Amino acid sequence: DAGITQSPRHKVTETGTPVTLRCHQTENHRYMYWYRQDPGHGLRLIHYSYGVKDTDKGEVSDGYSVSRSKTEDFLLTLESATSSQTSVYFCAIKQNDPSTDTQYFGPGTRLTVL
Amino acid sequence: AQSVTQPDIHITVSEGASLELRCNYSYGATPYLFWYVQSPGQGLQLLLKYFSGDTLVQGIKGFEAEFKRSQSSFNLRKPSVHWSDAAEYFCAVGALRENTPLVFGKGTRLSVIA
Repeated sequence: DAGITQSPRHKVTETGTPVTLRCHQTENHRYMYWYRQDPGHGLRLIHYSYGVKDTDKGEVSDGYSVSRSKTEDFLLTLESATSSQTSVYFCAIKQNDPSTDTQYFGPGTRLTVL
Repeated sequence: AQSVTQPDIHITVSEGASLELRCNYSYGATPYLFWYVQSPGQGLQLLLKYFSGDTLVQGIKGFEAEFKRSQSSFNLRKPSVHWSDAAEYFCAVGALRENTPLVFGKGTRLSVIA
């Protein structure tokens, strides 16, 4: 358990509305990640952060933005949700030891866009 | 850039039978390799990892994996499968560079029959 929580755990929203998902960690890890998981696609990286205010795009970043104003929180925002963004979203952290490169995952958020 | 292939989308085995899940990776240098397991409705749990040294690594729940550089493979094995092993399994590859996220395969779903 790497002390990762995600909120909300489930959300149903309508097309065109903004949505923000929160990832919170309690162990001061530098690296945080947002993935989406869809059948047949496995896990795909959306954005990641390597420090406060330091973020970078992943494989499927279009339609998503992120913010990290403090170490413990990494926010994922869908500015205008679309049905194609219906998915399960996972947050992950990487331990601070650079020699391990091991990621640990949160419990996930199931998002449905109607 | 790294890539991971899990050739089998779905595997069914009988309880008590042996299991081997295949993973092939592409990476120009020595990779960091991981196996994660995801039970239905859950997040991803780390099963085992390989960084260096002994090419046969032991993990949790009785799993092991063998790194074969000549075959670019990191196959997961278990000598006797239990019904509770039914889940989705993901192989992932990482690099030593700090800002490089893990790359995941698309997963193999394991079903266990009586």
